[in-house]
Amino acid sequence: QLQLQESGPGLVKPSETLSLTCGVSGGSISSSIYYWGWIRQPPEKGLEWIGNIYYNGSTYYNPSLRSRVTISVDTSKNQFSLKLTSVTAADTAVYYCARHVGQLVDYWGQGTLVTVSS
Amino acid sequence: DIQMTQSPSTLSASVGDRVTITCRASQSISSWLAWYQQKPGKAPKLLMYKASSLESGVPSRFSGRGSGTEFTLTISSLQPDDFATYYCQQYNSYSLTFGQGTKLEIK
Repeated sequence: QLQLQESGPGLVKPSETLSLTCGVSGGSISSSIYYWGWIRQPPEKGLEWIGNIYYNGSTYYNPSLRSRVTISVDTSKNQFSLKLTSVTAADTAVYYCARHVGQLVDYWGQGTLVTVSS
Repeated sequence: DIQMTQSPSTLSASVGDRVTITCRASQSISSWLAWYQQKPGKAPKLLMYKASSLESGVPSRFSGRGSGTEFTLTISSLQPDDFATYYCQQYNSYSLTFGQGTKLEIK
């Protein structure tokens, strides 16, 4: 059974870079069917798509975050990563990694809370 | 970006009720619409895709309709497990967007 597990610091200081990794088990990140991406949810708010990546490195990003976001993939470790630069309190959220079939998000990780605070 | 607007934001209903949630897109998205259910502290779960296709394992009391810019999610007979927040999401473009959510509460 597919499992997606987010990992990374739960606390990041303002102006620094948020870095998260999603480990994929029970499936191959190199599958030609899927994209792999990130979605976030500020506390008590709705969902915001961040972006996704194909196993060959092709990426799509939310235009509102594109200047600060990098998503990368490591097929040797069956994982992919998110970097978000110059964070502020507005970036405090639960960050989910997710599998996409084409652009349909069909499977989510459990999520990890990242708080931006000094 | 394509904007997605859900209504109502909150819906109060009783077990056994039939309820409908509406989602409108700011431009045509054909049938590239998904619905998700989210319970407190949990990740969203895919319910419907391509507007009217039921995800495997989802009860048949859930149904979806629509195309273009207007879509609905209907629960034919509410069960206690259905009280949650529901989100629509368009995947017509390469920049995915979600509705703001509809919280389904027990009356």
